[in-house]
Amino acid sequence: GEDVEQSLFLSVREGDSSVINCTYTDSSSTYLYWYKQEPGAGLQLLTYIFSNMDMKQDQRLTVLLNKKDKHLSLRIADTQTGDSAIYFCAESDNFNKFYFGSGTKLNVKP
Amino acid sequence: NAGVTQTPKFRVLKTGQSMTLLCAQDMNHEYMYWYRQDPGMGLRLIHYSVGEGTTAKGEVPDGYNVSRLKKQNFLLGLESAAPSQTSVYFCASSYQGDTEAFFGQGTRLTVV
Repeated sequence: GEDVEQSLFLSVREGDSSVINCTYTDSSSTYLYWYKQEPGAGLQLLTYIFSNMDMKQDQRLTVLLNKKDKHLSLRIADTQTGDSAIYFCAESDNFNKFYFGSGTKLNVKP
Repeated sequence: NAGVTQTPKFRVLKTGQSMTLLCAQDMNHEYMYWYRQDPGMGLRLIHYSVGEGTTAKGEVPDGYNVSRLKKQNFLLGLESAAPSQTSVYFCASSYQGDTEAFFGQGTRLTVV
């Protein structure tokens, strides 16, 4: 299967920006995704980017895609304590399967 | 608007017992998936289905079987549970394979 890698933890102070990074291996992915998982819950789609885009902005969220380096990042501006969760990067392959990273646990300190 | 519903939410099994996890979606999605989530390992695909009557193996299919007799339901079976199958299981569905996947709330399974 495809390999999607993320760092496991990130800790920031409330009001700061958070940047969560992800690297992937499948250069044929059409879409790349960011999902959020709150404690005891399933995953919810936060945002996604089409592979021919470099950047997508959605309110406090900015997704940057460097296709050459196969690097995806999620920036959360003005991080709030409610943003504390696990964030998963994911890609889908040509066979319609999603591959997820290990998840980055974001801890926001007041 | 139920979305994706998994039953049961929690279960404790003894080694060697069998059980079936049920996933139901009411969005008329073609694609359905079963994942397991283990600490530090993210989500790993067990089996998936691209339509009624079809199933295919994912990354970690051993010890599991699935069936998709009806479009809205995707069943995950454990014939002889092992402690290594202790995990949180998530079902997901999507309209097409590369569009948003909707997840259920998860089933926490403990095998003792």
